[in-house]
Amino acid sequence: KAGVTQTPRYLIKTRGQQVTLSCSPISGHRSVSWYQQTPGQGLQFLFEYFSETQRNKGNFPGRFSGRQFSNSRSEMNVSTLELGDSALYLCASSYLRGRNTEAFFGQGTRLTVV
Amino acid sequence: AQKVTQAQTEISVVEKEDVTLDCVYETRDTTYYLFWYKQPPSGELVFLIRRNSFDEQNEISGRYSWNFQKSTSSFNFTITASQVVDSAVYFCALSEALGGTSYGKLTFGQGTILTVHP
Repeated sequence: KAGVTQTPRYLIKTRGQQVTLSCSPISGHRSVSWYQQTPGQGLQFLFEYFSETQRNKGNFPGRFSGRQFSNSRSEMNVSTLELGDSALYLCASSYLRGRNTEAFFGQGTRLTVV
Repeated sequence: AQKVTQAQTEISVVEKEDVTLDCVYETRDTTYYLFWYKQPPSGELVFLIRRNSFDEQNEISGRYSWNFQKSTSSFNFTITASQVVDSAVYFCALSEALGGTSYGKLTFGQGTILTVHP
C-alpha cells in the first residue's frame, strides 16, 4: 500500500514568487491536512480538506491557500513568498474507521525562499 | 483551545538505558485522539501510536510502551533498552474527531530531541 506522496521534495524560490505543493494521500483516505514546520514555531496546522471542502483552517495569512480534487489529491499554494515562509511543509492523510484510525504523513517538501 | 506540552526539550542517554518522554495535554473535548510521532533527520513524521480518549489501556509494542492517564492528562512514552537508531525528534499530538470521519487539526507539542549515545 503506497504511502502519502509529496512533490516536489525540495524547492528554492525567490521572495515574491508563488509556489504550489502537491500531496497524494493514501488510497481510500479522504482527509488531507497541511502543516508548516519551522525551528521557531514548530509544527503548525495550515488547513484540512475533506471531500474537496476546506473544513478547518489554521492561523495563517490569506497568501496560504489550498484545494482538494475529486481523487483526494491536494495542492497547497503560497503566493508572494516571504523569507519567513522557508519551512518544511508536511501533509497528512487520514480516515477514521470506528476504533481503527490512521494518520500518516508524507516526507514533506522543504521550501527555501531566498 | 487544545494544547500539548512536552516539557523535555532534549534528552541524552547512553545505549541500553530506559528513557521516558513526557506529554501533557489540554482539551475541552470529550472525544479526542493522542498520537506519538518520530521524526528522523530525513524529515518524515513516522506514526508510532494513536490512543482514543475512551481507551485508557496502556500499550506495549516491542521496546516501546505508552502510559495514558486521563486523570493527569498525560500520555507518556517509554523506550526500554534504547538504541542509537532511536535518536530522533519525538512529537506528541492531540486531535479532535470531526464528524467521526477524520482527525481534523493535529496540535503538536514542541518535540523532544532524543540522542542515544553508543
